[in-house]
Amino acid sequence: RKEVEQDPGPFNVPEGATVAFNCTYSNSASQSFFWYRQDCRKEPKLLMSVYSSGNEDGRFTAQLNRASQYISLLIRDSKLSDSATYLCVVNKIQGAQKLVFGQGTRLTINP
Amino acid sequence: DTGVSQDPRHKITKRGQNVTFRCDPISEHNRLYWYRQTLGQGPEFLTYFQNEAQLEKSRLLSDRFSAERPKGSFSTLEIQRTEQGDSAMYLCASSPGQGVSYEQYFGPGTRLTVT
Repeated sequence: RKEVEQDPGPFNVPEGATVAFNCTYSNSASQSFFWYRQDCRKEPKLLMSVYSSGNEDGRFTAQLNRASQYISLLIRDSKLSDSATYLCVVNKIQGAQKLVFGQGTRLTINP
Repeated sequence: DTGVSQDPRHKITKRGQNVTFRCDPISEHNRLYWYRQTLGQGPEFLTYFQNEAQLEKSRLLSDRFSAERPKGSFSTLEIQRTEQGDSAMYLCASSPGQGVSYEQYFGPGTRLTVT
C-alpha cells in the first residue's frame, strides 16, 4: 500500500465550478500536511499547509481528519489557471524529514 | 532570484557515463533535500542534509549514487555508471528547518535522459 494515496484523475471541470480532491495517508505518525501544485514540466510549488482546524486561503480550503487519516482540498470558483497537478504531501517530524508525496491528481479547467 | 537553483536544467548522457548535478539552496536554509520524479508519479525522497551532514538516505539511493554538501551550502548529486532507469527529473529542495511545518521549497529540477 502506498504511504499517500490520491485519485490520479484526470478531473475535467468547467470554469467556475467547485472541485474537491481527497487523499489518504497510512502512517499515523505523520505530523505535517501540505498541498503542492505542479504545472507540466515544472517543479512542485507549495500551495498551502493543512492544519487540524482546517484552513482557507482565498478560493482554496484544506481540511485534515487525523482520525480517518484523510486530507482534502476544495477549490471554489475554479479558474483556467488552476489547471495543474495537485500533490498531497505528508511529513513525519520525528526521525525522517522527508516529504512523502502522493501520485498527484491532474486537474483541467475547461472554458 | 533568491529561490533554489539547479544546474544543469537538462542532461542527456549515454548509458554507463557519470553525471553530476548541482543545487544551490535558498541562502540561510540549513536543510537540503534531493528527490527524484518519474513521469506520472510524485517526487520520491532520495537524501537529506542538515548543514553539511547527510542525515538520511533512501533505499532508492543505490551505491551508484552519492551526494555531498561539503560546506553546508550548495550540494552535488553524482550518478555513476548511469542506467536507462535513472532517467528522471532530479529535484532539490531546501527548508529553514525551523517552525512546526518544515515547508520545503523546490528548485526547477534537472531532467536526466540516459540513452
